[in-house]
Amino acid sequence: KAGVTQTPRYLIKTRGQQVTLSCSPISGHRSVSWYQQTPGQGLQFLFEYFSETQRNKGNFPGRFSGRQFSNSRSEMNVSTLELGDSALYLCASSQTGSRGSQYFGPGTRLLVL
Amino acid sequence: AQSVTQLGSHVSVSEGALVLLRCNYSSSVPPYLFWYVQYPNQGLQLLLKYTTGATLVKGINGFEAEFKKSETSFHLTKPSAHMSDAAEYFCAVSDLSGNTGKLIFGQGTTLQVKP
Repeated sequence: KAGVTQTPRYLIKTRGQQVTLSCSPISGHRSVSWYQQTPGQGLQFLFEYFSETQRNKGNFPGRFSGRQFSNSRSEMNVSTLELGDSALYLCASSQTGSRGSQYFGPGTRLLVL
Repeated sequence: AQSVTQLGSHVSVSEGALVLLRCNYSSSVPPYLFWYVQYPNQGLQLLLKYTTGATLVKGINGFEAEFKKSETSFHLTKPSAHMSDAAEYFCAVSDLSGNTGKLIFGQGTTLQVKP
């Protein structure tokens, strides 16, 4: 099976812009979770989608949003970018999400200037 | 609430030496525990997991971890380090607040392997 894919891999934006990141889970996986990784804060959970519904949300401002499509692909959007949003954004998929093994994509590295 | 503490942000070993990466967790109920590895400019790769049953868990690349409830620990070991093991390692616990896939990660331990 193909692994989790994320596009784009690298992105440079300026403050105030918005960005959309995409994640395609492993075939058959219905749960997609998003994480932000920074040197200072480590790995932090953003949100999880399961069968097109947001099932859990981390402690991030409303500028961070996401959605999941009927084919389980997911997108996350960050509006009004801030310098502090520079990070590696990781997507993970699992069959059920419920404490099952999560498989991560390579991430999208976002740099906000 | 669950939490994970990884003791030592950097660990350095010689090639062929024992690798020991420490992880302690906090959980009010039996946890699901995971170890992930991250190579530079890559995502996280699952090394092994503990759910229920046998407390000694074997993973990929010769790694194993032992769940010790009395010590609330889930330390990762490998008998003989290889240069290719140099990476960052993350311990994680599964969030138990509902039927979701949220993982709570430790801060990570960078493993350096010296020739």
